Amino acid sequence: DSGVTQTPKHLITATGQRVTLRCSPRSGDLSVYWYQQSLDQGLQFLIQYYNGEERAKGNILERFSAQQFPDLHSELNLSSLELGDSALYFCASSVGSGGAYYEQFFGPGTRLTVL
Amino acid sequence: KNEVEQSPQNLTAQEGEFITINCSYSVGISALHWLQQHPGGGIVSLFMLSSGKKKHGRLIATINIQEKHSSLHITASHPRDSAVYICAAVTGAGSYQLTFGKGTKLSVIP
Repeated sequence: DSGVTQTPKHLITATGQRVTLRCSPRSGDLSVYWYQQSLDQGLQFLIQYYNGEERAKGNILERFSAQQFPDLHSELNLSSLELGDSALYFCASSVGSGGAYYEQFFGPGTRLTVL
Repeated sequence: KNEVEQSPQNLTAQEGEFITINCSYSVGISALHWLQQHPGGGIVSLFMLSSGKKKHGRLIATINIQEKHSSLHITASHPRDSAVYICAAVTGAGSYQLTFGKGTKLSVIP
């Protein structure tokens, strides 16, 4: 158990809908990273937050957004869902950001199925 | 061409065999992760290394920064080692992100 929690574990929804995925980092970690794992693209970095602020952006679609709250949990919002958004979504957390790199610890993932 | 290449894509081994999975990268990195993903999806970080060699039980990871190459070795492989192994390069400075290889699917047969 990495100490990173994600809810829900599974989510089934329809095209055009909007969903919110939640991530709670390990105690003491200030950085949260979001990743998408799809069958055709593999694992891809989406976005990183550090202590409430966006720090880095990867291949995140405009229909997707994220935020990190004062209690450091993070939410990934996916809207106008398409069939191709079906994937595993992971978050990871680490102690810090900037200066040295700190190891990331992964949550168990949320499996999103868009029908 | 992917920035992080892994080989082989698939690997089948007999229990007890010595296994090597390779990872090459074309970008400058701060560190490299070796990750394990079992069926069912969870990702576990096996190693994070930026130089030299690390060992944990039957697993050994090495990295050669000059050659931009890393290897993961499994000694005395066991069916419970069956999983997908993914290398991930840590890129960026100040704000870091992971760039992933496509993974190596390992099956260890009793």
